[in-house]
Amino acid sequence: GQQLNQSPQSMFIQEGEDVSMNCTSSSIFNTWLWYKQDPGEGPVLLIALYKAGELTSNGRLTAQFGITRKDSFLNISASIPSDVGIYFCAGQRSGTASKLTFGTGTRLQVTL
Amino acid sequence: GAVVSQHPSWVICKSGTSVKIECRSLDFQATTMFWYRQFPKQSLMLMATSNEGSKATYEQGVEKDKFLINHASLTLSTLTVTSAHPEDSSFYICSATDRDQETQYFGPGTRLLVL
Repeated sequence: GQQLNQSPQSMFIQEGEDVSMNCTSSSIFNTWLWYKQDPGEGPVLLIALYKAGELTSNGRLTAQFGITRKDSFLNISASIPSDVGIYFCAGQRSGTASKLTFGTGTRLQVTL
Repeated sequence: GAVVSQHPSWVICKSGTSVKIECRSLDFQATTMFWYRQFPKQSLMLMATSNEGSKATYEQGVEKDKFLINHASLTLSTLTVTSAHPEDSSFYICSATDRDQETQYFGPGTRLLVL
């Protein structure tokens, strides 16, 4: 099935640094979602974006829905050790009974 | 609210046996449930979509006779991996949406190891 491309694939950063990752698609989505998955667990929703150009924050996380509706980015400010995990974007089209297409994932590791 | 549970959390079985995984919405009625499979260091891949009281819709390349899905009630969907083989070893994750079908709530996953 289709997957969305995420970059970077993985990143090592120091505690306190800001992090930026993005997600691109060859086709349009009406909703963009960002999830975090810890090892051995299911993904947890971080931010949902519903309108092109929308910028939404959730604590230290900020995400934007690209104008073209084919991309999105996620920023994490002042990273902390518990930010470690895999971050997935997901796109959703209207009229598809909320079916999600997931990105390839960005693995984040934070060093002290 | 919006909690989804899975049982078991992990299972080891012999090749050729069948394994059933349950997915339950604990505090809401799930009109639609989804089953995903995730191999190590890979993303989640949708296997099938199930609506309560009707047959599941499988994604391309997923064998419906091998992965039997039953969504008999608004709070329970089951995935049965029939005649499991080592290549079926994976992390199986379910999710559920309520009537507004806008938000998917994910379960904690079930790790299957087929020996």
